[in-house]
Amino acid sequence: DTAVSQTPKYLVTQMGNDKSIKCEQNLGHDTMYWYKQDSKKFLKIMFSYNNKELIINETVPNRFSPKSPDKAHLNLHINSLELGDSAVYFCASSHIREPNTGELFFGEGSRLTVL
Amino acid sequence: GQNIDQPTEMTATEGAIVQINCTYQTSGFNGLFWYQQHAGEAPTFLSYNVLDGLEEKGRFSSFLSRSKGYSYLLLKELQMKDSASYLCAVMDSNYQLIWGAGTKLIIKP
Repeated sequence: DTAVSQTPKYLVTQMGNDKSIKCEQNLGHDTMYWYKQDSKKFLKIMFSYNNKELIINETVPNRFSPKSPDKAHLNLHINSLELGDSAVYFCASSHIREPNTGELFFGEGSRLTVL
Repeated sequence: GQNIDQPTEMTATEGAIVQINCTYQTSGFNGLFWYQQHAGEAPTFLSYNVLDGLEEKGRFSSFLSRSKGYSYLLLKELQMKDSASYLCAVMDSNYQLIWGAGTKLIIKP
């Protein structure tokens, strides 16, 4: 059983299109995240979300929006895709409050290529 | 501002020992994490330190000094499969993870 699963794993699309990446976790965690990892391999937090609070990295363009139908799912919608959006997007989940350590469990990543 | 510093790249020999350092300046501290990321794969959890001292887990050990804002990851008996990026991350007072840029470790035969 995959703990954190995201689809699709690869996504190739044209500039200006709208796309979504889905994420599901079966770990019962209370918090889910979206990270962007660009060509320099630096992991950048985009969103963290639990059923009470959405925290948005203020540097993320509003073309990006998270959608959470329930606590086990956090999907990422991207509108009007741009070349600079090409990256690997990782979904992750954790329990962030004590007694848990806050260890993150990552999905396998979704490689987005914008042409 | 919040900052995590670690070397960009290190090279070591199979069978040897390597120490990867991480220094941090964050708003509060709720623990420091080390993750391993092989090329093209997701990061995977290696260790967590919240108290000063050394945590040992097999060939990997992680050390923390909160007063110095300093941690290191020690890898012993290096194997070729240890070639990967090693990411240092600190959880701040808001339980947000602040990530370093990662250290790419190259193992040579």
